[in-house]
Amino acid sequence: DTEVTQTPKHLVMGMTNKKSLKCEQHMGHRAMYWYKQKAKKPPELMFVYSYEKLSINESVPSRFSPECPNSSLLNLHLHALQPEDSALYLCASSRQQGSRSTDTQYFGPGTRLTVL
Amino acid sequence: DAKTTQPNSMESNEEEPVHLPCNHSTISGTDYIHWYRQLPSQGPEYVIHGLTSNVNNRMASLAIAEDRKSSTLILHRATLRDAAVYYCILRDVISGNTPLVFGKGTRLSVIA
Repeated sequence: DTEVTQTPKHLVMGMTNKKSLKCEQHMGHRAMYWYKQKAKKPPELMFVYSYEKLSINESVPSRFSPECPNSSLLNLHLHALQPEDSALYLCASSRQQGSRSTDTQYFGPGTRLTVL
Repeated sequence: DAKTTQPNSMESNEEEPVHLPCNHSTISGTDYIHWYRQLPSQGPEYVIHGLTSNVNNRMASLAIAEDRKSSTLILHRATLRDAAVYYCILRDVISGNTPLVFGKGTRLSVIA
């Protein structure tokens, strides 16, 4: 099973709402990632978790709050978003082998977020 | 990660071979060349990677120039399902599993 699942597929929220995106993998991967992708643009890295600890935060605004409750789950909590935050949010995972190797990253299908 | 340059778009006829170029003139000796693609309405998926030698798998072939400053992803017989954005990405093996950093990629259109 090389699947990364993301829920919901689509989300519409107002600027005062609080919502969460969920990502799940059962491949035993120990690295998980959030990317943001605007229309017709490449994915941009937001956060990286390694062994359930946040290892990279690409200067993402605090209205995005990631959480990794266990090695299979990754959440992205959203609060007080702006319309310009509307995008496809992609989750990915990889095995997290040691250095001197390059893991394949497996991506989910994404959650398409619209902020009104 | 070192920078890559790819054409914005390419077009191919169905069942013809497709050669997708990538320039990476500042590649270091420890950079692997990775290719991912993103089909419409899907997340990116791994295609192939290599270091120095040419590589083949069931999806594609990767031809790497002798000086490693460029590479070419080869789809031997394009199908409509191969229409996607193809990303050429360099990853440094020494620094470990750095996350993928995507450039603009090449949008491939396949004509029936």
